[in-house]
Amino acid sequence: DQQVKQNSPSLSVQEGRISILNCDYTNSMFDYFLWYKKYPAEGPTFLISISSIKDKNEDGRFTVFLNKSAKHLSLHIVPSQPGDSAVYFCAASAGGVTNAGKSTFGDGTTLTVKP
Amino acid sequence: DGGITQSPKYLFRKEGQNVTLSCEQNLNHDAMYWYRQDPGQGLRLIYYSQIVNDFQKGDIAEGYSVSREKKESFPLTVTSAQKNPTAFYLCASNRPGDRNYGYTFGSGTRLTVV
Repeated sequence: DQQVKQNSPSLSVQEGRISILNCDYTNSMFDYFLWYKKYPAEGPTFLISISSIKDKNEDGRFTVFLNKSAKHLSLHIVPSQPGDSAVYFCAASAGGVTNAGKSTFGDGTTLTVKP
Repeated sequence: DGGITQSPKYLFRKEGQNVTLSCEQNLNHDAMYWYRQDPGQGLRLIYYSQIVNDFQKGDIAEGYSVSREKKESFPLTVTSAQKNPTAFYLCASNRPGDRNYGYTFGSGTRLTVV
């Protein structure tokens, strides 16, 4: 039972256009959602997060949208740049002591931005 | 600069051999985690620890063991009981109360069984 799903394994966009990466989740106890960027043979780096009490969070070219009723979130990158080419992981975490801050990850979406 | 150091970057293991992956952090984070990544898949949680001398199993703990004797260190041992150990292993840390800031990850260890 995969609780966090990224249904698109890959996405290709032209430089300067918008990239939209999608993520769905099933566990209604998740209250923080995060996006990470990963280059090959490196550890992921944290990109942006959103709390379940918000529906949008923006940081420069990156915006995350959350639709709680649909259990869906998306990451928008505008404008896309070739350096954005990487694997993007969606992650979610639930509160409470027993969850200990741990996150559940999706399988990732490989973004390719073409010059 | 604060961060997480994983070593070695590449590790080769013979069948039936135990190996230990190192993870050290100087971020003063309370919680540490070990994840495994297989090709085309996401990160799966092996073990995690919130405080020194305490740790819990994650989703795929079988064949692995950990210790947390110091706040800064969380080594992972891949035992001979792990039937398919070839993978990319990632160590991470955070302050559980700061979940909006996400994890800090190390650069990973690629383990290959030969």
